[in-house]
Amino acid sequence: DTEVTQTPKHLVMGMTNKKSLKCEQHMGHRAMYWYKQKAKKPPELMFVYSYEKLSINESVPSRFSPECPNSSLLNLHLHALQPEDSALYLCASSQEQGSNYGYTFGSGTRLTVV
Amino acid sequence: DQQVKQNSPSLSVQEGRISILNCDYTNSMFDYFLWYKKYPAEGPTFLISISSIKDKNEDGRFTVFLNKSAKHLSLHIVPSQPGDSAVYFCAASAIGSSNTGKLIFGQGTTLQVKP
Repeated sequence: DTEVTQTPKHLVMGMTNKKSLKCEQHMGHRAMYWYKQKAKKPPELMFVYSYEKLSINESVPSRFSPECPNSSLLNLHLHALQPEDSALYLCASSQEQGSNYGYTFGSGTRLTVV
Repeated sequence: DQQVKQNSPSLSVQEGRISILNCDYTNSMFDYFLWYKKYPAEGPTFLISISSIKDKNEDGRFTVFLNKSAKHLSLHIVPSQPGDSAVYFCAASAIGSSNTGKLIFGQGTTLQVKP
């Protein structure tokens, strides 16, 4: 299995809703990442987990809450989002933290906040 | 402040010809560079990378050139194929910094290869 699987592929949520994005990989990678990509913009790093511990938080608002329950799973819990949070959320993994290992990206979750 | 810039939003080439995608960066601490390819409704796919200790890396039809003094890199695709039509992102990182693993992406260049 050489894939990163993200669910759901599409999500529409209201500003008062609570939802979660899920990411799964079975490549034995020990680093996992959340990136956010707005339309016609490059992906921007949100969080990095290394060995199931949060390693980098790019000053992301607390309405985004990451969780790494085990080495294969990465969640992003969403609460009280704003319409400007609508974007493509990409999960990635790599053998170890550090880009020279090459990332494997998932297909993303397209989130719309209404 | 755009640390990685891809100044050409789009590029169109004929099948069989060379495609050259360019990328400029401003941060002299960057020492590792990657190219990703992205199809619609899919995540970016890693293509090729280069360390700052090299000036060229080749993998099949793909070659990346790095000019550190000019803070410029380019991706050459020869020969170009219609299946290469996609958005290409240049990305950079500073290994060993406190942000190890953080990739800074350019805005992307949409390549269209015409049959």
